[in-house]
Amino acid sequence: DTGVSQNPRHKITKRGQNVTFRCDPISEHNRLYWYRQTLGQGPEFLTYFQNEAQLEKSRLLSDRFSAERPKGSFSTLEIQRTEQGDSAMYLCASTTLGGHETQYFGPGTRLLVL
Amino acid sequence: AQTVTQSQPEMSVQEAETVTLSCTYDTSESDYYLFWYKQPPSRQMILVIRQEAYKQQNATENRFSVNFQKAAKSFSLKISDSQLGDAAMYFCAYDPTGNQFYFGTGTSLTVIP
Repeated sequence: DTGVSQNPRHKITKRGQNVTFRCDPISEHNRLYWYRQTLGQGPEFLTYFQNEAQLEKSRLLSDRFSAERPKGSFSTLEIQRTEQGDSAMYLCASTTLGGHETQYFGPGTRLLVL
Repeated sequence: AQTVTQSQPEMSVQEAETVTLSCTYDTSESDYYLFWYKQPPSRQMILVIRQEAYKQQNATENRFSVNFQKAAKSFSLKISDSQLGDAAMYFCAYDPTGNQFYFGTGTSLTVIP
């Protein structure tokens, strides 16, 4: 069990560029979650997958954001036409199937949009 | 809307002393789960303790314990015998459906040697 990993750990981009983040969950964890954390705030839910199906999306997830989990293993989060307001830490978490299980978090990807 | 309130942005405690971090939440649900997570500087969030709302008994995990008051919608974390390694941001999280967590804004804990 190597834990949840996220790549890259840091990303600096210019406004208007597209960025993609990757999350590798704990193996055999069926559920995968994406959160966004801005400075001084707690994580805010963006979306979650059960296997390859995206089951819920927050209204925070604008049309510029898209997430995939094509084979039910790793997931990617893409932000198109980045804006300065997208600067944040993007956290991934995974858990086993079933409600109310402990979510195991990755180290996050810190995005800075210039 | 689901809300979680942590009213103490910062707290400090002397090493070996006890500190209590507060958390309140707003809900109309009767069955849900509550969590405390710790986020050390530049490190990932890790679970501290977990409480099921239908259980009357307060959860305990070594030096960490909770005071869960369901009627008051309060879920405080007590850290006994504080250690330097306890210094971190602490987040309270509420889980009503098993589909997402709602987090508070966090409490930054400083441990004074």
